[in-house]
Amino acid sequence: GESVGLHLPTLSVQEGDNSIINCAYSNSASDYFIWYKQESGKGPQFIIDIRSNMDKRQGQRVTVLLNKTVKHLSLQIAATQPGDSAVYFCAESPHSGNTPLVFGKGTRLSVIA
Amino acid sequence: DSGVTQTPKHLITATGQRVTLRCSPRSGDLSVYWYQQSLDQGLQFLIHYYNGEERAKGNILERFSAQQFPDLHSELNLSSLELGDSALYFCASSVGGSWSIQETQYFGPGTRLLVL
Repeated sequence: GESVGLHLPTLSVQEGDNSIINCAYSNSASDYFIWYKQESGKGPQFIIDIRSNMDKRQGQRVTVLLNKTVKHLSLQIAATQPGDSAVYFCAESPHSGNTPLVFGKGTRLSVIA
Repeated sequence: DSGVTQTPKHLITATGQRVTLRCSPRSGDLSVYWYQQSLDQGLQFLIHYYNGEERAKGNILERFSAQQFPDLHSELNLSSLELGDSALYFCASSVGGSWSIQETQYFGPGTRLLVL
């Protein structure tokens, strides 16, 4: 499949370990955040989202943490699997419901079997 | 499979040419969004249509245009193509027309455009 972003930050993780992918957002007015996963040759796939009135949200094997004080978002993947290898994007919504999502550049997660 | 379809999957053309990319949203979705993804770039929002009407515009060049038809499929037209237009073009769809937490966007597989 084609490469999405040849110069993305890369995180290499051993299979079975936990992964933490970080994202710094720019707009303190952003009140909605999403993580997307993009596998090679495919479109972005929604993973999990969080509103600004929360600081943590859990899904299946994934947890999103939001620190509004330092404008930081993280995605934690538990027991990382080879199928988790992909590029992960965070996105922010500057003004809930009224403006387009702003996507980060992405982080490439590489799982070592 | 997100339920969003895009055609063609690959497109190779020459500078100065015009191409049309097509997107069919998920069944029941009224919104269509177009994005451009270049190497080393994140997703850049181009334009949003809701139920046939333009709802929001992003960094879309004047050489690019889009429309959404009564059957809700959408087309993105790229004209006077330049080398720098080579990119992945994604379409996404959602149920409603806002950008809120209720409107998860589901992405299609993309069209890879190569301008030579």
